[in-house]
Amino acid sequence: GNSVTQMEGPVTLSEEAFLTINCTYTATGYPSLFWYVQYPGEGLQLLLKATKADDKGSNKGFEATYRKETTSFHLEKGSVQVSDSAVYFCALRPLTGGGNKLTFGTGTQLKVEL
Amino acid sequence: DSGVTQTPKHLITATGQRVTLRCSPRSGDLSVYWYQQSLDQGLQFLIHYYNGEERAKGNILERFSAQQFPDLHSELNLSSLELGDSALYFCASSKLGLASDTQYFGPGTRLTVL
Repeated sequence: GNSVTQMEGPVTLSEEAFLTINCTYTATGYPSLFWYVQYPGEGLQLLLKATKADDKGSNKGFEATYRKETTSFHLEKGSVQVSDSAVYFCALRPLTGGGNKLTFGTGTQLKVEL
Repeated sequence: DSGVTQTPKHLITATGQRVTLRCSPRSGDLSVYWYQQSLDQGLQFLIHYYNGEERAKGNILERFSAQQFPDLHSELNLSSLELGDSALYFCASSKLGLASDTQYFGPGTRLTVL
């Protein structure tokens, strides 16, 4: 079946540090890939997405590239801010079969300190 | 603000009881999805409705049921509640329910079963 594996957290960084959160997936065919962010006490917000191989999703300084050969969708940001502290979820949705449900990773908590 | 509303925000109840969670999708969206977020299971898809009809089921217990009404709002009914049902329940909506649609999440209902 479909699955998403994310790096364990929490990830603690100093402000302006470079961020990478690893995400790999297992799926048949070519799923769409997503990063969602959950700020403390809030719901999930779509951060970025990519729907085909080599697509790069980007938003608010975050970016991720759909790598079919390594089945990965790693999240990166060049310079994190304290306001980026949140839990980040990688997710996939298959193009066919499995309905339109999102399959999520376990989430990675990011803490950014001054 | 995603445009998806969920009520109530918090719910505290006792084992064996029954509760109803309500979701109003974004204006114009025909699909509603329900997800459960718990510490041990992570974020899991429960069920998908499109324009009043059930489209897909995930790991939804028989004690749980859902429906989508003609005005497109949805309700998730949880009965014979157990301690393990304590979780954050999210509703999401999308325009049609196609694989290419983006799902927008509500703020969630936090259910505590005592």
